Amino acid sequence: DTAVSQTPKYLVTQMGNDKSIKCEQNLGHDTMYWYKQDSKKFLKIMFSYNNKELIINETVPNRFSPKSPDKAHLNLHINSLELGDSAVYFCASSQKRGPSYNEQFFGPGTRLTVL
Amino acid sequence: AQSVTQPDIHITVSEGASLELRCNYSYGATPYLFWYVQSPGQGLQLLLKYFSGDTLVQGIKGFEAEFKRSQSSFNLRKPSVHWSDAAEYFCAVALNAGNMLTFGGGTRLMVKP
Repeated sequence: DTAVSQTPKYLVTQMGNDKSIKCEQNLGHDTMYWYKQDSKKFLKIMFSYNNKELIINETVPNRFSPKSPDKAHLNLHINSLELGDSAVYFCASSQKRGPSYNEQFFGPGTRLTVL
Repeated sequence: AQSVTQPDIHITVSEGASLELRCNYSYGATPYLFWYVQSPGQGLQLLLKYFSGDTLVQGIKGFEAEFKRSQSSFNLRKPSVHWSDAAEYFCAVALNAGNMLTFGGGTRLMVKP
């Protein structure tokens, strides 16, 4: 049983295209996140989403937008892709209550390559 | 702004040797502290976390970490490294429970036979 899943695992696309990455968690968590890992392995938070509250890292371009159709999903939409968007994107989730309080569970990542 | 520093980008140890990975944070109050491990091509797995209480915390896979407030450090240790421990290790902090994680730059651990 996969706790946090992401699709696709790999995504290769041309500059200027619009693409989406999907994330689903079956843990019943109330908060989901998106992180970007660059080529030097540096991990940076992009978004945090808890029910109706979206917290955006101010350094994230507005070409990136998270969309949450329901509590178990937080998809990442990227418009007008640029070469610098090439990275591995990780989805994560956490719960503000219970035994795994604040522990973030990560998905396997989506490697995005922009040509 | 809070920051996390992992001074060692690469560390190589022999199998069976002890390991210590360093992590320092910069923040006015004590944040929530975490260590994650990332195996090649994989996502991140939580090794251990510190919120409060006993400053020596035990994690999975035989790892432990010690929080030292005076040094703003949260170093990860393992008494005897196995070849399967070769991976990238990330220290992370959160301002409070439920907040977003700020990661250090990571330390790549290589294990010699």
